[in-house]
Amino acid sequence: ETGVTQSPTHLIKTRGQQVTLRCSSQSGHNTVSWYQQALGQGPQFIFQYYREEENGRGNFPPRFSGLQFPNYSSELNVNALELDDSALYLCASSNPREIRNEQFFGPGTRLTVL
Amino acid sequence: GENVEQHPSTLSVQEGDSAVIKCTYSDSASNYFPWYKQELGKRPQLIIDIRSNVGEKKDQRIAVTLNKTAKHFSLHITETQPEDSAVYFCAASRITGGGNKLTFGTGTQLKVEL
Repeated sequence: ETGVTQSPTHLIKTRGQQVTLRCSSQSGHNTVSWYQQALGQGPQFIFQYYREEENGRGNFPPRFSGLQFPNYSSELNVNALELDDSALYLCASSNPREIRNEQFFGPGTRLTVL
Repeated sequence: GENVEQHPSTLSVQEGDSAVIKCTYSDSASNYFPWYKQELGKRPQLIIDIRSNVGEKKDQRIAVTLNKTAKHFSLHITETQPEDSAVYFCAASRITGGGNKLTFGTGTQLKVEL
């Protein structure tokens, strides 16, 4: 198992609400990427934080936002939830200075929007 | 942006047989190609990766080949075992400063039958 943790494990929200998901990166990692994985699909890149700055964003609307803290943990915020936001949200941490620059995934947060 | 296609979506093999999963990518600047295994309800785990300066890489029963000209790469699993049953995802990215931003394929459900 990796040292990447996520909270909460599961979450149920209603349409229009807001949600905050949390990710603690593996020790020594300064980069956190967030992915959305809909049922039966591959993960889709939402955005990435590198040393507390956003370092790239996928094709997601502005209501998906995030931040990274000085200890390199990260939050993903989603406003005005829609039914299609129901998915597994994965974070992955990495250190670009490592030769392999492997992304280590957390266990995910299962979000259900009713 | 990058687009990754993956085939087949499902693959059923007999124990001991070989399995091959194929992916194509669209961005010729992509230079890093990992493969992830995701068991039901678990996080994706890296099983092998290859960079664009290498044509083939092997790790025990698993191998990956890359054809940069044709922009496709493949995962080969030999002597399959029941514990190989899972969903496999290919991905592609361009390594830049900061972390990788992975574009995933849609996944292949591999079932190894006794």
